[in-house]
Amino acid sequence: GIQVEQSPPDLILQEGANSTLRCNFSDSVNNLQWFHQNPWGQLINLFYIPSGTKQNGRLSATTVATERYSLLYISSSQTTDSGVYFCAVGNTGGFKTIFGAGTRLFVKA
Amino acid sequence: DSGVTQTPKHLITATGQRVTLRCSPRSGDLSVYWYQQSLDQGLQFLIQYYNGEERAKGNILERFSAQQFPDLHSELNLSSLELGDSALYFCASSPNRGGQNTEAFFGQGTRLTVV
Repeated sequence: GIQVEQSPPDLILQEGANSTLRCNFSDSVNNLQWFHQNPWGQLINLFYIPSGTKQNGRLSATTVATERYSLLYISSSQTTDSGVYFCAVGNTGGFKTIFGAGTRLFVKA
Repeated sequence: DSGVTQTPKHLITATGQRVTLRCSPRSGDLSVYWYQQSLDQGLQFLIQYYNGEERAKGNILERFSAQQFPDLHSELNLSSLELGDSALYFCASSPNRGGQNTEAFFGQGTRLTVV
């Protein structure tokens, strides 16, 4: 099945810093999402981005499907950005949506 | 609020027991997915239904079963529970019209504790 790798596994930032999270996948995909899991366990949709670039406030994401990776950019980080960021993909022709292991982010005040 | 409703939010039960988790998808969504998240772990795909039919299966134990009803709500049944089944169980839904998986939205999860 499709493999999803996220890096880095852990990240500690000072408030105001920028960061880039990466998601690599092993097969062609027809859907890709980024989620933020907050400290209360809630999964929040950030982006649905099987290809191209999207921006939403301080967050933006880019997926280069032909090279099998996606990037999530967080600018001017805030303490409320802390939590785990997951990438989830569905491979072309399949129906499973598989999650990566996540990047655990802690933003210090 | 994602529009996906899961009940109950919390469940504590003893080993060997059987429980049922319920999920109501967003209005109009045809697909329902179930995931298991053990403590400090990622999300493991269990099973997906599309318009009442099973469409994809992940690492779902034989002690677990699920179904999607004509009104599109879904239930996940967990039986002969073990301590290791303690986890956060998520349901997600997506429209998936045209057959392809599309953007999925997650419920708040059911936290199951087996004692």
